[in-house]
Amino acid sequence: DVKVTQSSRYLVKRTGEKVFLECVQDMDHENMFWYRQDPGLGLRLIYFSYDVKMKEKGDIPEGYSVSREKKERFSLILESASTSQTSMYLCASSIPQGTGDTQYFGPGTRLTVL
Amino acid sequence: GDSVTQMEGPVTLSEEAFLTINCTYTATGYPSLFWYVQYPGEGLQLLLKATKADDKGSNKGFEATYRKETTSFHLEKGSVQVSDSAVYFCALSDGSASKIIFGSGTRLSIRP
Repeated sequence: DVKVTQSSRYLVKRTGEKVFLECVQDMDHENMFWYRQDPGLGLRLIYFSYDVKMKEKGDIPEGYSVSREKKERFSLILESASTSQTSMYLCASSIPQGTGDTQYFGPGTRLTVL
Repeated sequence: GDSVTQMEGPVTLSEEAFLTINCTYTATGYPSLFWYVQYPGEGLQLLLKATKADDKGSNKGFEATYRKETTSFHLEKGSVQVSDSAVYFCALSDGSASKIIFGSGTRLSIRP
């Protein structure tokens, strides 16, 4: 079974702090994704990566950056956390198959910025 | 751009009731369509998918048929159980195939 793990289930940070969210997958997937999930808005894509050191902006990249130094690990960075970034963050991975790739999700990190 | 619209929740049903969650989509090409489910305290997991028109995806008693003429992918189950209580997301993959666009989610609660 594919396993996607995220470094923390719950995280509380203060405004202005630099925040790192880590995601690791164990199935050698090329693609990795970061989403945020907010009530009534579904999942919105922040960034994704289709290879090591490669990244593309999603729909809401402002205030975030990412790093992918190894294939299995994809990090989301909040350079200066703000209260508007309080949310559930979900990481996912997939293998490119050309038609309807299935994404595999981690359990999520609930981030609260005070 | 491509988008997904699904019925708003919450939806509350009694055990053994029939379930329909409506989903319609807008896409310029021929997307693949998905239903993902999120159980309490967990991440999303794929429930079923269909990659071309008239395909039917099915899993765990749930079914959805890819209807190109009505741009719909409604989720159905004949007899729901308490364990089906979760949030359900309709989604489509865009032309790149790897990226997925999600609907806003429908929370389903089943009463014993």
